Amino acid sequence: DVKVTQSSRYLVKRTGEKVFLECVQDMDHENMFWYRQDPGLGLRLIYFSYDVKMKEKGDIPEGYSVSREKKERFSLILESASTNQTSMYLCASRGQGTPQQFFGPGTRLTVL
Amino acid sequence: GNSVTQMEGPVTLSEEAFLTINCTYTATGYPSLFWYVQYPGEGLQLLLKATKADDKGSNKGFEATYRKETTSFHLEKGSVQVSDSAVYFCALVGYNAGNMLTFGGGTRLMVKP
Repeated sequence: DVKVTQSSRYLVKRTGEKVFLECVQDMDHENMFWYRQDPGLGLRLIYFSYDVKMKEKGDIPEGYSVSREKKERFSLILESASTNQTSMYLCASRGQGTPQQFFGPGTRLTVL
Repeated sequence: GNSVTQMEGPVTLSEEAFLTINCTYTATGYPSLFWYVQYPGEGLQLLLKATKADDKGSNKGFEATYRKETTSFHLEKGSVQVSDSAVYFCALVGYNAGNMLTFGGGTRLMVKP
C-alpha cells in the first residue's frame, strides 16, 4: 500500500514564525501536492511538484513556498505565518499517468 | 473552468437509513469523476470512481453513476452504518487537465445508532 506521512498531526505557531510542514511518500511517485482544507471550501491546491526541484503554483500559493530536494519528500513553508493560515494541510502523491492521488493524514495548524 | 458542487451538510441519518449525497459538476469534454471519503482524524481515501458516461462506481455498499445528461454523480448507499460517519468529497479530473483534481466543498455525514 502507498503510504504518505506528514511530520506532525497538530502544530501551534505564533504569528510571524517560519513554519515547515514535511511530507514523505514511499511509492516513488513523481507528483506531489499540498492542499489546504477549510470548512465549506473543500480542498484547495497550494502548490504541486511533478519532479525533483520542480514546482508549480496551484490556486492559492500566496504566503507559501515549497521545496522538493528529494523525490520522496515535499515540504511546505510558511515564511511568516499569519492567523488566516490556520487550517488543515493535506499532502498527496500520485504516480504518472493516473489521476488517483494518495493522501497523508493531514496537519492541523493553528496560528495564534 | 472546472467546478464541483455538493450539497451542504451536515447530513444526519439514523442507522440503516438510505443515503444520497448530491454532486453536480461543470467541465468541458469528458471528465473522470471520483468520490473520496475522510474518516475522523485521517486523510482522504478514494471511495469509488467512474471514467465515462453511464459507468457505475461502487465500493463498500456505496454507488454512484456518471450521468452526463444531468452532469451529476450522486453518491448513494442503501443502509448506512455508524462507521460511515465521515466527510465525503466529490471530485473530477477534467479532460486534458493534466490529471489535476478539482474538489467539491465536502459533505459531512453523521449516522446515529
